[in-house]
Amino acid sequence: AQSVSQHNHHVILSEAASLELGCNYSYGGTVNLFWYVQYPGQHLQLLLKYFSGDPLVKGIKGFEAEFIKSKFSFNLRKPSVQWSDTAEYFCAVNAGRGSTLGRLYFGRGTQLTVWP
Amino acid sequence: GAGVSQSPSNKVTEKGKDVELRCDPISGHTALYWYRQSLGQGLEFLIYFQGNSAPDKSGLPSDRFSAERTGGSVSTLTIQRTQQEDSAVYLCASSGRGASGETQYFGPGTRLLVL
Repeated sequence: AQSVSQHNHHVILSEAASLELGCNYSYGGTVNLFWYVQYPGQHLQLLLKYFSGDPLVKGIKGFEAEFIKSKFSFNLRKPSVQWSDTAEYFCAVNAGRGSTLGRLYFGRGTQLTVWP
Repeated sequence: GAGVSQSPSNKVTEKGKDVELRCDPISGHTALYWYRQSLGQGLEFLIYFQGNSAPDKSGLPSDRFSAERTGGSVSTLTIQRTQQEDSAVYLCASSGRGASGETQYFGPGTRLLVL
């Protein structure tokens, strides 16, 4: 079965600091990778995803993530965080090409707190 | 509708009672998923419906849990004889065709508390 590990449970940063949240997955085949974000009191929403092609993926609000196949990683980055980025971030994976299974395997989430 | 809706938003029940949670997916989406978000467990897959295919029930934690999807649209998740460990936020998501790589759109969730 696939599994996803997020290394940081809680990250605290000051505004303008750079952010990198780690995500590793275990699955030998082709995968699709996602970062979802849950702002306080809001739904889970997609931040970005990797499906194929360029391993550097850009998402909303200045976030990006890099898929490194050899390391089974999909780390999330942002060069300069804002107070409004305070949220919980979830990495997720599902099976790749050829599969009709859409179920997502989620990491346990990283709570990001940004101080103004 | 514009997004995935779920009802009720909050549910408090007594241990041993049955509960029903409802999900209304985005119009036209053929794939529907239920997940559970609980403290210490993160987000866990429960069940997946895709069109008229048999659902993938592999994530249901026990036979007290069941779900159905009527008319390819609305889904109901039923928990029988609720236990305190069932307390969690139950999330529903939908996507266009259920293919891997598709974005899943999540509803606001139903927060269930079993006393």
